[in-house]
Amino acid sequence: DAGVIQSPRHEVTEMGQEVTLRCKPISGHNSLFWYRQTMMRGLELLIYFNNNVPIDDSGMPEDRFSAKMPNASFSTLKIQPSEPRDSAVYFCASSPPTSGTDTQYFGPGTRLTVL
Amino acid sequence: AQSVSQHNHHVILSEAASLELGCNYSYGGTVNLFWYVQYPGQHLQLLLKYFSGDPLVKGIKGFEAEFIKSKFSFNLRKPSVQWSDTAEYFCAVHAGNNRKLIWGLGTSLAVNP
Repeated sequence: DAGVIQSPRHEVTEMGQEVTLRCKPISGHNSLFWYRQTMMRGLELLIYFNNNVPIDDSGMPEDRFSAKMPNASFSTLKIQPSEPRDSAVYFCASSPPTSGTDTQYFGPGTRLTVL
Repeated sequence: AQSVSQHNHHVILSEAASLELGCNYSYGGTVNLFWYVQYPGQHLQLLLKYFSGDPLVKGIKGFEAEFIKSKFSFNLRKPSVQWSDTAEYFCAVHAGNNRKLIWGLGTSLAVNP
């Protein structure tokens, strides 16, 4: 079974540029989560979708961040414009619809470096 | 507000030593509990989980955790660690009727050969 797929795995960009991170959840999963991981703040939930609908975006740092899920098999996290403090590893995770099963399956992450 | 507290931020052990990592949560209702592991340079993987039933849960690689409801705790244990257990360990709790997990800040474990 293919797990959660993220691309790119590494991204290096300059301050001010637009960055788009991509995620393909596990087939059949109906919840998708975007996390950011840094040494200083640990693992932070940015936003999560249920059935392609954003449910909680309270973790999105500011208006420079946006996320979309146009269909059940694809989501994007966009940062525009990017800043050096956005440098982090961004994880996508998905979760199946089975009631009471809240196990999240993580992708390999995108390591973002903003110069 | 719901929260998860991991008491040990950094743990250093020698191989064959026993391990116990603490995890406490704050929520009075029904919870689902998780331990995830992140090996160096890799993504988070599920180590074990508790939903109901036997409060002593066994996971992969010889790990186990015990849910003690009266103490709001879900401590992770392993009787004899190996160098390959060097990783970051995260405790997470699901509570309420949304799909979010509340995460602890993680415990970094270094096992010396």
